[in-house]
Amino acid sequence: AQSVTQLGSHVSVSEGALVLLRCNYSSSVPPYLFWYVQYPNQGLQLLLKYTSAATLVKGINGFEAEFKKSETSFHLTKPSAHMSDAAEYFCAVAGANSKLTFGKGITLSVRP
Amino acid sequence: GAGVSQSPSNKVTEKGKDVELRCDPISGHTALYWYRQSLGQGLEFLIYFQGNSAPDKSGLPSDRFSAERTGGSVSTLTIQRTQQEDSAVYLCASSVKPSGRSDTQYFGPGTRLTVL
Repeated sequence: AQSVTQLGSHVSVSEGALVLLRCNYSSSVPPYLFWYVQYPNQGLQLLLKYTSAATLVKGINGFEAEFKKSETSFHLTKPSAHMSDAAEYFCAVAGANSKLTFGKGITLSVRP
Repeated sequence: GAGVSQSPSNKVTEKGKDVELRCDPISGHTALYWYRQSLGQGLEFLIYFQGNSAPDKSGLPSDRFSAERTGGSVSTLTIQRTQQEDSAVYLCASSVKPSGRSDTQYFGPGTRLTVL
């Protein structure tokens, strides 16, 4: 079985500040992990995914995430936040039939 | 090319009525998923279709929920005798094929269902 924990429901940062969104996973098999972003009234868009190649994964819009097996983590970071990054972010792990188990999501606010 | 499309974008219905939600996957994608996004439960898997194989219905919350996929393309999710707890956003996703758990799923914009 798989599960994902995203601690906290809301993160607020200033424009230009570091963004760090945490994700911890549990998986009975080697995990495949995903970060998706959801803008208001839109579907989910893939930011990046970990598929057991490189542990540091680079995605779109300047985001990256590092897979740490020892910590069972896959935290999402971006060095400098933009106003356009304000959205809800979901971490997910793939299970049988590739169906995704999502975390509760984190809302990112960016202050000018 | 076109992404995943869903219709209607919004649906308001009365308790006890049946509703049908439609999903058009990306052309050529053989795998199709339905998820539900609600305030209380977050994002939950509902059902999965792959080619001509029997669907994985393990996420359907009750027998009031059913789905079909015709001709390996368009899918319809049907909710019978809707209840207020069915109010949610229903998301459809498709992927090229399940080459493994690393496949990217592409999501549609969702259908927001409100049951009065």
